[in-house]
Amino acid sequence: ETGVTQTPRHLVMGMTNKKSLKCEQHLGHNAMYWYKQSAKKPLELMFVYNFKEQTENNSVPSRFSPECPNSSHLFLHLHTLQPEDSALYLCASSQGGTASTDTQYFGPGTRLTVL
Amino acid sequence: SQQGEEDPQALSIQEGENATMNCSYKTSINNLQWYRQNSGRGLVHLILIRSNEREKHSGRLRVTLDTSKKSSSLLITASRAADTASYFCATGNYGQNFVFGPGTRLSVLP
Repeated sequence: ETGVTQTPRHLVMGMTNKKSLKCEQHLGHNAMYWYKQSAKKPLELMFVYNFKEQTENNSVPSRFSPECPNSSHLFLHLHTLQPEDSALYLCASSQGGTASTDTQYFGPGTRLTVL
Repeated sequence: SQQGEEDPQALSIQEGENATMNCSYKTSINNLQWYRQNSGRGLVHLILIRSNEREKHSGRLRVTLDTSKKSSSLLITASRAADTASYFCATGNYGQNFVFGPGTRLSVLP
């Protein structure tokens, strides 16, 4: 247990569905991240939130919409996804501030399959 | 451009042997971290080494950093089957987010 939980652990959805991924951290951290991990590709940073403010949107398509209502919770809203969006979506948190010097704590991930 | 790149992409060894993985990067860094990922799970932080450090130890792990060669190595001694996982290096610098490499897949055979 790293102190970062993600739900659901597995999700299968059609291209017209709307679903949301949830991440919660119990570490008192101020920064939260969404990563996408596809087969045989490096981990891709999608979004970064520092103190609830989005500080990074790494050219992610608008069909992915993040939400950070407070420093402990992070959501990724999904809408009209494509099959190539199937991947493991990882949430992470860190102390915050200068992310590059932080240790990141990862959740177990949500395995998403888009049919 | 890709910052951290691990080498080899895959490594298979017998239990009890040592495993060495390397990471090369292109630009200056403030720190370099190694993470482990068991199949289909989240990443777990192993060790952080700062740019002014040359070597760090943690249990059976030994990490070296050579900033002149822009490279780092992770040594796992006396490997166990439970060490089977993917290992990633991540480079960091002030004001920039981490960049993860593609990883080395380690298989430790009983």
